[in-house]
Amino acid sequence: EPEVTQTPSHQVTQMGQEVILRCVPISNHLYFYWYRQILGQKVEFLVSFYNNEISEKSEIFDDQFSVERPDGSNFTLKIRSTKLEDSAMYFCASTTRGAEDTQYFGPGTRLTVL
Amino acid sequence: DQQVKQNSPSLSVQEGRISILNCDYTNSMFDYFLWYKKYPAEGPTFLISISSIKDKNEDGRFTVFLNKSAKHLSLHIVPSQPGDSAVYFCAAGHNNAGNMLTFGGGTRLMVKP
Repeated sequence: EPEVTQTPSHQVTQMGQEVILRCVPISNHLYFYWYRQILGQKVEFLVSFYNNEISEKSEIFDDQFSVERPDGSNFTLKIRSTKLEDSAMYFCASTTRGAEDTQYFGPGTRLTVL
Repeated sequence: DQQVKQNSPSLSVQEGRISILNCDYTNSMFDYFLWYKKYPAEGPTFLISISSIKDKNEDGRFTVFLNKSAKHLSLHIVPSQPGDSAVYFCAAGHNNAGNMLTFGGGTRLMVKP
């Protein structure tokens, strides 16, 4: 069964460093998403991406964040200068058609900022 | 932001009995709702969804009920199995918002053998 994959599973970084979290969505999916879950808190939407551009982003997704689909398979989330409060699980999701279509989630990357 | 709330942080049920997980929302613009199950160190796994134009959707042991007037949905699992023990999240989306999902805080379900 096709699934969303994410690498690395755990990333430890120093405050102020740049990190890139990688995702490989399900191959025939066209819509891509990033969410995060800070420990003990809700899963929060960060950004949605379709047709090589951002279609929606939340207040969390400020100038320190960017997304890219560098090739036909990868979808990345970059945090330019990490802060302590960026420590969270980051989940990638993808879907075929967008509206009302089920979003399938990857296993997540645990980001720890020291 | 409390647009989607799950008021019970945990629920314990005996194997074979029914599990009922509840979710309330405040935004009447939501067009669809989903339930996800999550194990530790894994991503959310889709269980079942329902469109706002329906009031019930069933898939095997899982049934979701939607009461739009009360802005309430529930997930029924019957019969409950020990493997159902996980955290359950309800989520809501509306078609004009980039398909972003708004999640509840989750309910931890424990099914005792």
